[in-house]
Parts: sequence; C-alpha cells; structure tokens
Amino acid sequence: DAGVTQTPRHEVAEKGQTIILKCEPVSGHNDLFWYRQTKIQGLELLSYFRSKSLMEDGGAFKDRFKAEMLNSSFSTLKIQPTEPKDSAVYLCASSFDWGGNYAEQFFGPGTRLTVL
Amino acid sequence: EQQVQQSPASLVLQEAENAELQCSFSIFTNQVQWFYQRPGGRLVSLLYNPSGTKQSGRLTSTTVIKERRSSLHISSSQITDSGTYLCAMGLYQGKLIFGQGTKLSIKP
Repeated sequence: DAGVTQTPRHEVAEKGQTIILKCEPVSGHNDLFWYRQTKIQGLELLSYFRSKSLMEDGGAFKDRFKAEMLNSSFSTLKIQPTEPKDSAVYLCASSFDWGGNYAEQFFGPGTRLTVL
Repeated sequence: EQQVQQSPASLVLQEAENAELQCSFSIFTNQVQWFYQRPGGRLVSLLYNPSGTKQSGRLTSTTVIKERRSSLHISSSQITDSGTYLCAMGLYQGKLIFGQGTKLSIKP
C-alpha cells in the first residue's frame, strides 16, 4: 500500500527558472495539501484541495506559486519564477475527509529545492 | 493569529528515561496530530488525538480540549527516538497549524 509519493526528491534551480514539483496522494484520499518547511518558519500551508477543488490558494504564496490537481491521484506545484528565498523542503500530504472536517494527514518524503 | 506553542524547544535524556513533550494552542481545536521527523526525513504521523488519551506502543498522547493543550509521553526512551517531535492543531476544512517542534536527543 503506497503512501504519499513526491518527485523529484531534490531539485536545483537557477534564479528565475520555472520548476514543477509532483505529488501522488494515498489512493482513495480526497484531501491534498502542499506545505513548505524551513528552519526559520517551520511548516507553512501553501495550497489545499478537497476532491480536486482548490480550497486554499496560499495567501502570501499565491504570487509565484500555483498548485493544480488535474485528477484525484496527481497534483503539481509550480514555482515561477524561482527566487533564492524559495529554497526549502516542499511537502505534500493527503487525508480522507469523511465529512467531519478533520482527518489524519499523511506526508510524503518531500522535495528539497535549492535556488541558486 | 492561530498559534501552536511547543515546549521544551529541546530535551536531552538518558536512554530508558521518560520524555514529556507539551503543546498549547491559541484557540480551541478538536483536531490534534503528533508527528516525528528525523533530520532530512519524512514527517511521520505518530498519533491523531482529537481529545482524551490515546496510546500507541511506548507513546501516550493526552489532549484536554477545554484547556487548549496536548502532551506526548514517551516511556523508556531509546536512542532511536532521537529527532524532532511536532504537534499540529486543526482548523476548519482540515488545515493544520504546526508548532516549531521539540528536538529530542537520547544519550546512551
């Protein structure tokens, strides 16, 4: 039974480049989350989908960050253009919403992004 | 602003000692989840504990909603328990707000 998978595991980009991170949630889960993790800020929510519909578009992150969910088993996070301050670990998580608003979240291994 | 405070920020124990980690929330929440992370590692869900007491092996979590706090007790700590423990509270629509974590080091 596969958990959340993310690719690539590591990405190095030049400033100004466009990068696309990928995530496959746990099969059957209908909620998907993108987070960013840094030593200083900790974990911050970027985007959130419920049954493929975008529920949260990231507030301060919506500028250059765009998450999409084309089908229930695949999501992408595009950063365009990248800046050095975007260097962080990007985490994807999924959960099964049973209608009660809250559900246990499971995380992928993350993509470590370095922007030069 | 919704916040999660974790204490202590770091904890050093001898192997076999018990560890007690605390988490407090700025608002009432009925979703609390505890995670474990090694440096460079995946965030692993330990316990999902909306309220009351929940146990898994050597881990026991107690959440008191009306006091806006949760604790994680690790009994008979092992060297392999070393890492960062994060607690998170749930907001509406399943969003999680994370604390800054407790870094636990277990010495032989």
